[in-house]
Amino acid sequence: GAGVSQTPSNKVTEKGKYVELRCDPISGHTALYWYRQSLGQGPEFLIYFQGTGAADDSGLPNDRFFAVRPEGSVSTLKIQRTERGDSAVYLCASSPAGTDLQYFGPGTRLTVT
Amino acid sequence: AQSVAQPEDQVNVAEGNPLTVKCTYSVSGNPYLFWYVQYPNRGLQFLLKYITGDNLVKGSYGFEAEFNKSQTSFHLKKPSALVSDSALYFCAVRGGFKAAGNKLTFGGGTRVLVKP
Repeated sequence: GAGVSQTPSNKVTEKGKYVELRCDPISGHTALYWYRQSLGQGPEFLIYFQGTGAADDSGLPNDRFFAVRPEGSVSTLKIQRTERGDSAVYLCASSPAGTDLQYFGPGTRLTVT
Repeated sequence: AQSVAQPEDQVNVAEGNPLTVKCTYSVSGNPYLFWYVQYPNRGLQFLLKYITGDNLVKGSYGFEAEFNKSQTSFHLKKPSALVSDSALYFCAVRGGFKAAGNKLTFGGGTRVLVKP
């Protein structure tokens, strides 16, 4: 079956610009997670949705970062006024109800120049 | 706060030899422990997890991991490594308390290189 998909696979933007990263979870999965993986490091948690609501957004680094999941399926991670330090691979994962096993997408590589 | 340490940046092993990738953790309450593998240009793939029960957990592709509560470790092992096992391996933990949520805390990763 189809796995978690993320678009675009690569995004290059200039410092100060706004970007949106999209995640399509596995159909029927109720939980959705965003992580950020900087070069040479493990993924770091950003935000977790249960259905449409953000159950835990404690990992968002500052108010330039925002994520939505309006219909409980697709999610968009939004970054305002991008900075070079935002350059990383942004990973999305989803989980079915009743389990804690997270299925990861291939990620979006964001490069801020 | 929860944390994971993977003390080795890279592990080199000859094909056919046993492979061990080390992981130690810190978490409040009973730990939920995971191993994931990452191949180039691909997403993280689940290998195995420990929730409760037997300390030796068996997973995908012949991998297993041993939970050791007293040493707070969850080392990944494979009796006979293959060249195709060369990849980046991540250990992750989440707390067992409901308040901890479902977020995973990952270690920094260990690159495994299996030489023919």
